[in-house]
Amino acid sequence: DTGVSQNPRHKITKRGQNVTFRCDPISEHNRLYWYRQTLGQGPEFLTYFQNEAQLEKSRLLSDRFSAERPKGSFSTLEIQRTEQGDSAMYLCASSLALGSGGSQYFGPGTRLTVL
Amino acid sequence: AQTVTQSQPEMSVQEAETVTLSCTYDTSESDYYLFWYKQPPSRQMILVIRQEAYKQQNATENRFSVNFQKAAKSFSLKISDSQLGDAAMYFCAYTNAGGTSYGKLTFGQGTILTVHP
Repeated sequence: DTGVSQNPRHKITKRGQNVTFRCDPISEHNRLYWYRQTLGQGPEFLTYFQNEAQLEKSRLLSDRFSAERPKGSFSTLEIQRTEQGDSAMYLCASSLALGSGGSQYFGPGTRLTVL
Repeated sequence: AQTVTQSQPEMSVQEAETVTLSCTYDTSESDYYLFWYKQPPSRQMILVIRQEAYKQQNATENRFSVNFQKAAKSFSLKISDSQLGDAAMYFCAYTNAGGTSYGKLTFGQGTILTVHP
């Protein structure tokens, strides 16, 4: 088990462009979460999946954001028409739905810079 | 909505000494989990310790232990025999133990811990 992986690790884009991030969870974990973290702050919840179903989305997740988890395996987070305010670290975490006591394991994150 | 507050933006400790990081939270739920996560500079978030609200016994993991005071909604982290590798940002986090919000973590603002040799 190699843990949660995220790609790319860094992304620099121009305002107005679309970007997509990928997260590969720990293989036996059926829950997958996305968080956003700005410098010096704690992560903020964006959305989560149980298997392929997206169960909750934060109000932080505007219409420009979309997340998918086809077949309940990896997940993608897409941001359309990026804005400078989207610059942040995007963190992915995974867990078991039951029996884990809510413990989540995080990936290294994707740092997005919007110029 | 649940909130988590860490009132110490920065703390420092001498190597081999003990330090305590504070966290308070607000919730109307009776069953929940609390966590401490460690985030070293430019490195990923690591789970340090977990506490179940229904367990009166404080959780311990090697040099890390918590003081969980449910009535006071307080959840502090004690690091004993501090090591240079403990230097990091520490986050307190909360999640409900059931319902649709189970697993959704609410984090505090973090405490930067510096360890002096």
